[in-house]
Amino acid sequence: DGGITQSPKYLFRKEGQNVTLSCEQNLNHDAMYWYRQDPGQGLRLIYYSQIVNDFQKGDIAEGYSVSREKKESFPLTVTSAQKNPTAFYLCASSLNYQPQHFGDGTRLSIL
Amino acid sequence: GENVEQHPSTLSVQEGDSAVIKCTYSDSASNYFPWYKQELGKRPQLIIDIRSNVGEKKDQRIAVTLNKTAKHFSLHITETQPEDSAVYFCAASNPSGSARQLTFGSGTQLTVLP
Repeated sequence: DGGITQSPKYLFRKEGQNVTLSCEQNLNHDAMYWYRQDPGQGLRLIYYSQIVNDFQKGDIAEGYSVSREKKESFPLTVTSAQKNPTAFYLCASSLNYQPQHFGDGTRLSIL
Repeated sequence: GENVEQHPSTLSVQEGDSAVIKCTYSDSASNYFPWYKQELGKRPQLIIDIRSNVGEKKDQRIAVTLNKTAKHFSLHITETQPEDSAVYFCAASNPSGSARQLTFGSGTQLTVLP
């Protein structure tokens, strides 16, 4: 799905630092999502947004924040309050009521 | 909230044999069930999905069956090939606005032996 771009591909976080993961889509999708994937596990929903300037918490929102100022962009900030941030982060988007399609992911590690 | 259990966690089959992966869900309101394939280090890719008003759906070598009464659904891959080797995830979604909140199973590592 070349229409969903996540950057960077790899990211390192120092203790006490906030980092922001980028997700951009040019598919004109209304809904966007952030998932966290830990080794050997399924995906868990962090936040999702159905429309601009609106978003809802998923199952594991603590320690994360998002914004949706533009339809095509849904950045995720991993704050210092997230004590175990090392994971593979996946962004997805969809038209209303349609299947979700994923970006290539960002791998976040702690320095 | 929704809980999705997926079995088995690993599955090895000989090339040409069939593979079956099973999932159960807890929320009877769930009405959409996609399956994703994820190769190592890559994005999950949708391979097939089914809605609750349908009992079975087939796409070439891949089929999904849904039993709403028992709250379980299964992925069937026939005539397996080495390129089918990957991790497969099931998911369930209940209606919650226009965005589908997916709850994923823990994944099945499928290995197709040549």
